Amino acid sequence: KAGVTQTPRYLIKTRGQQVTLSCSPISGHRSVSWYQQTPGQGLQFLFEYFSETQRNKGNFPGRFSGRQFSNSRSEMNVSTLELGDSALYLCASMWGLQYSYNEQFFGPGTRLTVL
Amino acid sequence: DQQVKQNSPSLSVQEGRISILNCDYTNSMFDYFLWYKKYPAEGPTFLISISSIKDKNEDGRFTVFLNKSAKHLSLHIVPSQPGDSAVYFCAASAGNNNDMRFGAGTRLTVKP
Repeated sequence: KAGVTQTPRYLIKTRGQQVTLSCSPISGHRSVSWYQQTPGQGLQFLFEYFSETQRNKGNFPGRFSGRQFSNSRSEMNVSTLELGDSALYLCASMWGLQYSYNEQFFGPGTRLTVL
Repeated sequence: DQQVKQNSPSLSVQEGRISILNCDYTNSMFDYFLWYKKYPAEGPTFLISISSIKDKNEDGRFTVFLNKSAKHLSLHIVPSQPGDSAVYFCAASAGNNNDMRFGAGTRLTVKP
């Protein structure tokens, strides 16, 4: 069974640009969550999508947005990039049924560097 | 706000000894707790979990303890092995909300 895949693995952008990251969940998983990992901050929750709808959202500015497609693949977009957006962006998938405990399976991440 | 805190950024133990990683949380609505292990250049992998109806869960060398009154959980690894060297994240969520909150991580180094 294939794991969570993320593309691209590495990205270098300059301030002011925008970027789109992609995540393909494990087959059958309907929930995709996005996290930002920076040194000292751990994993900070960005948002979660389930069945093409944003179900949960963390405390990030509106420059961070996402969407999910009917095949559960998800994209995350960051507009007007800032130096502080340099981070490892992780996506995680799970079955996603509410009122049940779910373990998340993480992808390898996309390393974004903003110059 | 950091609802889940891992106050020790790093921990070093000798092979064969016990590793104890600690985690504190502030949100009393959390009722499901997980530990993840992360190697460099890889995504975190699920290690062990515990729900709030229990105070202990064991899986091989890994045991998680939950103290609800203190809002504290810990992960014990016995005996520690060099391959356990990684960053460990604790995470928490409310059962009906898949918004999972993570701590900042603790880097464990197990020395041969």
